[in-house]
Amino acid sequence: EPEVTQTPSHQVTQMGQEVILRCVPISNHLYFYWYRQILGQKVEFLVSFYNNEISEKSEIFDDQFSVERPDGSNFTLKIRSTKLEDSAMYFCASSEIGERNEQFFGPGTRLTVL
Amino acid sequence: AQKITQTQPGMFVQEKEAVTLDCTYDTSDPSYGLFWYKQPSSGEMIFLIYQGSYDQQNATEGRYSLNFQKARKSANLVISASQLGDSAMYFCAMGSSGNTGKLIFGQGTTLQVKP
Repeated sequence: EPEVTQTPSHQVTQMGQEVILRCVPISNHLYFYWYRQILGQKVEFLVSFYNNEISEKSEIFDDQFSVERPDGSNFTLKIRSTKLEDSAMYFCASSEIGERNEQFFGPGTRLTVL
Repeated sequence: AQKITQTQPGMFVQEKEAVTLDCTYDTSDPSYGLFWYKQPSSGEMIFLIYQGSYDQQNATEGRYSLNFQKARKSANLVISASQLGDSAMYFCAMGSSGNTGKLIFGQGTTLQVKP
């Protein structure tokens, strides 16, 4: 069964460093998303991406964040200068259609900023 | 603004019994989708069930069913014949209008199944 994959599973970084989180969505899906979950809290939407551009972003997704689909398979989230409060689980998700189809989530990347 | 509310931080259920996890939502959009996800202790998000706002029948997927009451804006998840492996965090989510498809999540309910 096709699945969303994410690498790395765990990333530890120093405050101020850049990190790139990688995702491979399901191959025939057209919509891609990043969410984050701070430990013990609810899942929060960061950004959605369709047709090679951002379709919506949340207040969390400030200038420190960027997304890219560098080739036909990868979807990346870059945090330019990490802060302590960026420590969270980051989930990538993809779906075939926008709002009415289920989103399939990757296993997540746990980011720890020291 | 859209909002999802899960008022049960934690629930217990005896193995083999049924349990209902509550979810209420608020939206002014005429078209939306409601989702339930399971998050075990390992952390991944597992899709369980989907209900469209225009669907006439309540969604069912195996032991999972969604008690959708549109007028009351509730979308409760019913798990029948609970198993020990059902112990996890459960999130209710709503798909927004428009083509962005972002999901708005509730705070989650931790379910513990007792042997």
